[in-house]
Amino acid sequence: EVQLQESGPGLVKPSQSLSLTCSVTGYSITSNYWGWIRKFPGNKMEWMGYISYSGSTSYNPSLKSRISITRDTSKNQFFLQLNSVTTEDTATYYCARFCYSGALFDYWGQGVMVTVSS
Amino acid sequence: DTVLTQSPALAVSPGERVSISCRASEGVNSYMHWYQQKPGQQPKLLIYKASNLASGVPARFSGSGSGTDFTLTIDPVEADDTATYFCQQSWMLTFGSGTKLEIK
Repeated sequence: EVQLQESGPGLVKPSQSLSLTCSVTGYSITSNYWGWIRKFPGNKMEWMGYISYSGSTSYNPSLKSRISITRDTSKNQFFLQLNSVTTEDTATYYCARFCYSGALFDYWGQGVMVTVSS
Repeated sequence: DTVLTQSPALAVSPGERVSISCRASEGVNSYMHWYQQKPGQQPKLLIYKASNLASGVPARFSGSGSGTDFTLTIDPVEADDTATYFCQQSWMLTFGSGTKLEIK
């Protein structure tokens, strides 16, 4: 069974970079697509971006200048970096498997809450 | 961007039928999906492409609609269905604001 687990710091200072890791078990990240989604306080959900089986990426245009998704296939992990964070980036961050053909997310991690505060 | 509008909250009693709506600001054909998020848990895919039941999801859940209007139906509702339900459309991967379902 596919399982995903996010990890990373729960507190980031404004203007710094947010860095998260998604560890995948039960499935190779060199197959399929893998994405990041965040949920803000108040329930709004936002797709952030995804990385493909070949390493190509696609990002939400609203984040394109600040976001980078990379991977380490030897560890079966992929990563999120979000630069120049503000308090508005406070959210729960989820990694998920992205089914490209239907453009949906079929397996999700438990999520990690990240607070941006000085 | 396509905006998805959902009612904020609903309350029903066990055994009843409940319909949760999602309206898109422009047509998305049948590329609408539904997720269930229970308190403290990650979202779970329930319905894909408007009306297809995801693997392992009970047949009490069903989906319908196309174009701009979509519905998730639970019949009959059980106490364990307490959750927030989100719709998501495929074109720009946007999500609805969620409908919080309370079981009385």
